[in-house]
Amino acid sequence: NAGVTQTPKFRVLKTGQSMTLLCAQDMNHEYMYWYRQDPGMGLRLIHYSVGEGTTAKGEVPDGYNVSRLKKQNFLLGLESAAPSQTSVYFCASSHRTGETKNIQYFGAGTRLSVL
Amino acid sequence: AQSVTQLGSHVSVSEGALVLLRCNYSSSVPPYLFWYVQYPNQGLQLLLKYTTGATLVKGINGFEAEFKKSETSFHLTKPSAHMSDAAEYFCAVPNFGNEKLTFGTGTRLTIIP
Repeated sequence: NAGVTQTPKFRVLKTGQSMTLLCAQDMNHEYMYWYRQDPGMGLRLIHYSVGEGTTAKGEVPDGYNVSRLKKQNFLLGLESAAPSQTSVYFCASSHRTGETKNIQYFGAGTRLSVL
Repeated sequence: AQSVTQLGSHVSVSEGALVLLRCNYSSSVPPYLFWYVQYPNQGLQLLLKYTTGATLVKGINGFEAEFKKSETSFHLTKPSAHMSDAAEYFCAVPNFGNEKLTFGTGTRLTIIP
């Protein structure tokens, strides 16, 4: 099993450019999440989804948009990148029920630099 | 909303020494608590999970955590540190109907040879 796969792994953008980060999971998880990780701040939730076609805002949603058109994919978009969005982005997914309920499984991350 | 506090952003221990990483939760007893580990340039992976009723929870790689309601704590320990334990460790608690997790700010563990 691949688990949670994030693409790309690295990206450098210029201020004002746009991009989309792709997250794919093969565990049939209902819930999916996008986080950003910055030094000294832990993980902060950007957006999340509790099912196909539904999304919700997290702690730091400004400047980001998301879509979940298929259960296995969760896309994070930056419409106009800013230097403050330089960060490491992590996708995670989890089951809604069962023994592994609430256990989030993470991708390897995308390192984004905005110049 | 629930939160967790991790005391000590950096902890250094000698190889073979006891590892103690601290985590305190904010208010009412949560149904779950988690410890995750992040090795350099990797995503987070589950170390162990507390569920209601347990006190001592055993995880992977020889780690365990003790839930103490009287101290609102869920500290992570390992009797003997190994070089491979060098990583960042995060405590986490569920929020808002349990579909979200709130993470602590992390503790970076360094092992001194």
